[in-house]
Amino acid sequence: QQQVKQSPQSLIVQKGGIPIINCAYENTAFDYFPWYQQFPGKGPALLIAIRPDVSEKKEGRFTISFNKSAKQFSLHIMDSQPGDSATYFCAASKPSYGKLTFGQGTILTVHP
Amino acid sequence: EAGVTQSPTHLIKTRGQQATLRCSPISGHTSVYWYQQALGLGLQFLLWYDEGEERNRGNFPPRFSGRQFPNYSSELNVNALELEDSALYLCASSPNPGGFNWGNQPQHFGDGTRLSIL
Repeated sequence: QQQVKQSPQSLIVQKGGIPIINCAYENTAFDYFPWYQQFPGKGPALLIAIRPDVSEKKEGRFTISFNKSAKQFSLHIMDSQPGDSATYFCAASKPSYGKLTFGQGTILTVHP
Repeated sequence: EAGVTQSPTHLIKTRGQQATLRCSPISGHTSVYWYQQALGLGLQFLLWYDEGEERNRGNFPPRFSGRQFPNYSSELNVNALELEDSALYLCASSPNPGGFNWGNQPQHFGDGTRLSIL
């Protein structure tokens, strides 16, 4: 019940494409869902996060879509650039928990 | 504003030794979290400290321990090192305003300490 399942494991798109990364969770107590971007040799950087009272959140080229009934959420990257090539992690947490439960990560490659 | 800082960047130890990793949170953040990122295993939660107290612990043996100091910095200690402890150890910090979302705030990560066990 504590798992967060992320897909796909890897993704290759052309510059300007819209990669979509999906995550699913089981624990209905989760109510905070962040996405992180990690470059080699660096720690994960918080990209965007959503709480379940909204179905979509957009920050710049990054959009989270959230489906509470399906217990799924996804990250869309608009007009992707080669500089977006990185590993992306979804995560989930709940109040008084502290712990982020992470998906297994998606390696995104954007070709020029 | 300075981010989360971790030291050392790299640490090489042998089996059976002890390792100490250090973390300074973002100014104003009272919560510190530790994660292990081992190859092929993703990010695994280790420990959460807030206001000097251990608030939650992940599924790791007791030889993984830590503490938080009055200035909110933290250290992670790993005793009796084993080969499988080789990993990137990440520290994160967050504010903790209390209330319903206590322990459920955006976490900001440092760049980690790479621990290698020979």
